[in-house]
Amino acid sequence: AQTVTQSQPEMSVQEAETVTLSCTYDTSESDYYLFWYKQPPSRQMILVIRQEAYKQQNATENRFSVNFQKAAKSFSLKISDSQLGDAAMYFCAYSLGGSNDYKLSFGAGTTVTVRA
Amino acid sequence: NAGVTQTPKFQVLKTGQSMTLQCAQDMNHNSMYWYRQDPGMGLRLIYYSASEGTTDKGEVPNGYNVSRLNKREFSLRLESAAPSQTSVYFCASSRQENEKLFFGSGTQLSVL
Repeated sequence: AQTVTQSQPEMSVQEAETVTLSCTYDTSESDYYLFWYKQPPSRQMILVIRQEAYKQQNATENRFSVNFQKAAKSFSLKISDSQLGDAAMYFCAYSLGGSNDYKLSFGAGTTVTVRA
Repeated sequence: NAGVTQTPKFQVLKTGQSMTLQCAQDMNHNSMYWYRQDPGMGLRLIYYSASEGTTDKGEVPNGYNVSRLNKREFSLRLESAAPSQTSVYFCASSRQENEKLFFGSGTQLSVL
């Protein structure tokens, strides 16, 4: 089974500042996908960003961007200009590429608190 | 614009009771999934259905059964509930593998 590690159980950030969440994963494969999901207090899981491993360019979605370091097996999420609505638990996830593999492995999550 | 709908939202069972969690999606997705979320462990895949008519075990299938009733519906059954099955359960769907998952709002299940 693939392992996804999020080493920061909790992070706190001042509103309008930047916070970076770390994620490392263990795999011997070259074709895979990485994801960040957000879970606010409502419990709804929402996709933040998706990265395909064969793409060198880091994915971005508005204020959210990733730093994908394939050799280091690292996939960090940067939240810029943090807003109160960014307060949530964030999960890093991995799935193997290719057909017939549907298993998405999640990390334990990082709780982000945004201070006004 | 319902997306993924799962019922019930909350349930309390006694050890040994059975129940079925229902899930339906209206996005014409091929793949559907059941996850459980426990504190400090993220989400773990219980079962998935890659397409209508197929189901496969995930990471933690013991104690559960699933049915892909049609393309829209995917149910999860606990035949004899145990306290270890106390968790939050999420149903999800996707157009195909490795694509964005759309999640339901979750079911908080407590087994006493």
